[in-house]
Amino acid sequence: GENVEQHPSTLSVQEGDSAVIKCTYSDSASNYFPWYKQELGKRPQLIIDIRSNVGEKKDQRIAVTLNKTAKHFSLHITETQPEDSAVYFCAAAGAGSYQLTFGKGTKLSVIP
Amino acid sequence: NAGVMQNPRHLVRRRGQEARLRCSPVKGHSHVYWYRQLPEEGLKFMVYLQKENIIDESGMPKERFSAEFPKEGPSILRIQQVVRGDSAAYFCASSGDRGPYEQYFGPGTRLTVT
Repeated sequence: GENVEQHPSTLSVQEGDSAVIKCTYSDSASNYFPWYKQELGKRPQLIIDIRSNVGEKKDQRIAVTLNKTAKHFSLHITETQPEDSAVYFCAAAGAGSYQLTFGKGTKLSVIP
Repeated sequence: NAGVMQNPRHLVRRRGQEARLRCSPVKGHSHVYWYRQLPEEGLKFMVYLQKENIIDESGMPKERFSAEFPKEGPSILRIQQVVRGDSAAYFCASSGDRGPYEQYFGPGTRLTVT
């Protein structure tokens, strides 16, 4: 089955700096890669996703890049703000699969 | 614009009791997924259901756990004879299309087994 590795497990950045979180996946058939943000005690929120037919997608301060050859994808947050502090999860799903396989999460702290 | 609803938000059960977790998907969504989250861990897939059908239950333990999504009413995740290891947050997600795409999560049910 699919296996998703996520790094780093914790990340601290100064407000205004950029943050990058990286994930690798094992199943070359995977074709859907969402990112979720989870604040303490809250639900995971879908913040951006990418499908395997594109290499990059951007939404305001958030961007995701995908390298299918290397089987890795990354989340980039620019101009970080304190409200970006949360745990971020990457996930992957393969063609014909209905389940998301999640990484273990990255705890992002933005220091004012 | 009601999102995914789950209840109860918190549930305490003694070992050996039954736990029933409910999930109402986004209005118009007919695809429901259940995930379990242990502390400091990511979410683990349990089961995927469409109305009246279990499509994929590969992540659900074969004993004590069952799920349903009836024609009318919420999806139910049922855990019989709970044990301490069942303590976790259980999240339900829904989507409008077949497949794993754009799953929106509910607030979760935090189950504590004493």
